[in-house]
Amino acid sequence: KAGVTQTPRYLIKTRGQQVTLSCSPISGHRSVSWYQQTPGQGLQFLFEYFSETQRNKGNFPGRFSGRQFSNSRSEMNVSTLELGDSALYLCASSLLRAGELFFGEGSRLTVL
Amino acid sequence: ELKVEQNPLFLSMQEGKNYTIYCNYSTTSDRLYWYRQDPGKSLESLFVLLSNGAVKQEGRLMASLDTKARLSTLHITAAVHDLSATYFCAVDKESNYQLIWGAGTKLIIKP
Repeated sequence: KAGVTQTPRYLIKTRGQQVTLSCSPISGHRSVSWYQQTPGQGLQFLFEYFSETQRNKGNFPGRFSGRQFSNSRSEMNVSTLELGDSALYLCASSLLRAGELFFGEGSRLTVL
Repeated sequence: ELKVEQNPLFLSMQEGKNYTIYCNYSTTSDRLYWYRQDPGKSLESLFVLLSNGAVKQEGRLMASLDTKARLSTLHITAAVHDLSATYFCAVDKESNYQLIWGAGTKLIIKP
C-alpha cells in the first residue's frame, strides 16, 4: 500500500516568489492535513481538508492557502515568500477526520 | 489556549537502561498521539491513546494516558541504539482535528 506522497521533496525559492506543494494521500484516505516544521517553532498546524472542504485552519497569514481535489489529493500554496517560510512542510492523511495520521516525507522549502 | 509540554527535551542514555518521557497538556482532549522522527525524515506514528487509563505497548516502548492529570508517558525499557530519535507527543485540540504538538524529546542512546 503506497504511503503519503509529497512533491517536490526539496525546493529553493527567493523572497517574493510563490510556491505550490502537492500531496497525494494514502488511497482511500479522505482527510488531509498540512503542518509546518521549523527548528524555532516546531510543528504547527496549517490546514485540514476533508471532502474538498477546508475544515480547519491554523494561525498562519492569508499567504498560506490550500485546496483539496475530488480524488483527495491536496495542494498548498504560499505566496509572496518570506525568509521565515523556510521549513519542512508535512502532509498527513487519515481515513477519517479523527483517525491516525500518516505523514509523507515532507517538502523542504528554502527561501533565499 | 491548549499547550503541550514535553520533558525532558533532550535525553542521553546508555543502552539497557529504562527511562520515561513525559507529556503534559493544558486542557481536556480526546486523543493523544506519540510520533517518532529520525533526522531528516518524516513522522512515524507510534501510538494513539483514546481514553483515560489507556496503555499501549510496542516492543520496548509503552505509552499511557491519564486524562485526569492531563499527562501521558512514553516509557522505554532496556533501550537500544535503534531507538535513538526525536519523540513527539501531540494532542487533538478540542476534538477539531488540529494537532497541537510538544517540542519533542531528542533521545540519544549510546552503545
